Amino acid sequence: ELKVEQNPLFLSMQEGKNYTIYCNYSTTSDRLYWYRQDPGKSLESLFVLLSNGAVKQEGRLMASLDTKARLSTLHITAAVHDLSATYFCAVDGNQFYFGTGTSLTVIP
Amino acid sequence: DAGVIQSPRHEVTEMGQEVTLRCKPISGHDYLFWYRQTMMRGLELLIYFNNNVPIDDSGMPEDRFSAKMPNASFSTLKIQPSEPRDSAVYFCASTRWWGGSDTQYFGPGTRLTVL
Repeated sequence: ELKVEQNPLFLSMQEGKNYTIYCNYSTTSDRLYWYRQDPGKSLESLFVLLSNGAVKQEGRLMASLDTKARLSTLHITAAVHDLSATYFCAVDGNQFYFGTGTSLTVIP
Repeated sequence: DAGVIQSPRHEVTEMGQEVTLRCKPISGHDYLFWYRQTMMRGLELLIYFNNNVPIDDSGMPEDRFSAKMPNASFSTLKIQPSEPRDSAVYFCASTRWWGGSDTQYFGPGTRLTVL
């Protein structure tokens, strides 16, 4: 069974700081997705990474994919309070699996 | 466009009752997805359709669950009979193309409580 592990599960960071969320997965896959979910709300698609070495950036968020290491990262640059949310990665292998999510709180 | 529309937004029912959740995708989107979110199991993809045809239903938990897409603008997820462990938030999403870089758009979700 495909396993998708995110770490950290909880992240509290100060505004203006940088940090990285990691997503490790256990099977071969060339497709990885990142989503955001605000408390009590629906999901929002952030990035689709389709190949080894893919890098996507939107505002203060940058996602990358290393299929050989089976690792994706979501890097947050100069965090602001509006980025507080839960971030999920998901891998499309033989089946589609979500990570456990990383709950991010940005403190002013 | 109004986005992905789901109904009802909240549903409370008793164990053993039939439950039907509804979804209207964004016009022009060929792919439709049903997801479930619970505290215990997290987010799960239940099933997805392409051009109204179910492509992958491997995430459907049991035979009590069934999904249909009779036309491009409507899909249902039915649970019969419902059980308390089916309590969850069910999301519908749609996109033009799956497997490429197109964005998925999610509906607001249906919060189902089975007593």
